[in-house]
Amino acid sequence: EADIYQTPRYLVIGTGKKITLECSQTMGHDKMYWYQQDPGMELHLIHYSYGVNSTEKGDLSSESTVSRIRTEHFPLTLESARPSHTSQYLCASSGGDRGRQPQHFGDGTRLSIL
Amino acid sequence: AQKITQTQPGMFVQEKEAVTLDCTYDTSDPSYGLFWYKQPSSGEMIFLIYQGSYDQQNATEGRYSLNFQKARKSANLVISASQLGDSAMYFCAMREGTGFQKLVFGTGTRLLVSP
Repeated sequence: EADIYQTPRYLVIGTGKKITLECSQTMGHDKMYWYQQDPGMELHLIHYSYGVNSTEKGDLSSESTVSRIRTEHFPLTLESARPSHTSQYLCASSGGDRGRQPQHFGDGTRLSIL
Repeated sequence: AQKITQTQPGMFVQEKEAVTLDCTYDTSDPSYGLFWYKQPSSGEMIFLIYQGSYDQQNATEGRYSLNFQKARKSANLVISASQLGDSAMYFCAMREGTGFQKLVFGTGTRLLVSP
């Protein structure tokens, strides 16, 4: 079992609020990722990190920001939530150098902005 | 062009039967990897099986096997002896190159297993 945790599992919040989605992993993985997924649709990479103090934007433009101050922690922040941010957000991590290692996913955060 | 194409939005199979979920991919990189994930209605992504472009044999993991046809750029997932718990969304994903493990996902196939 992969040890990657996301909190909260569900969040319903009003427009304009600042939100931080938490993601932590205990596997010592250097690479971490955030994906956005609308219901029944494919995953889109919005942020990723090679390691501490490294963050990059993914393929899908997002108004969110991320930080990687510790290896195990990769939080995602929305400064001012809007209804268009309503989606599921999935955090993942992977280790190793050969590319065969799968990404391990957390259970996701289902975000609903009213 | 889509890098990963899953042409079956939904598939139905009876319990204990085998089912094949299609995946085709598009890349010019000679080194790549293909992953299959299962997503139950609860939302988490569960890794099932991996196939590397240089792997000589088709990957197998328990009831899951991958029908890898490199020349046709297809990597179909075969689930043998379907179980009710196999009902879920299934995503095919590709990693290009040997470096960073960025994945591109297909649109998924919803599998429903009936008793």
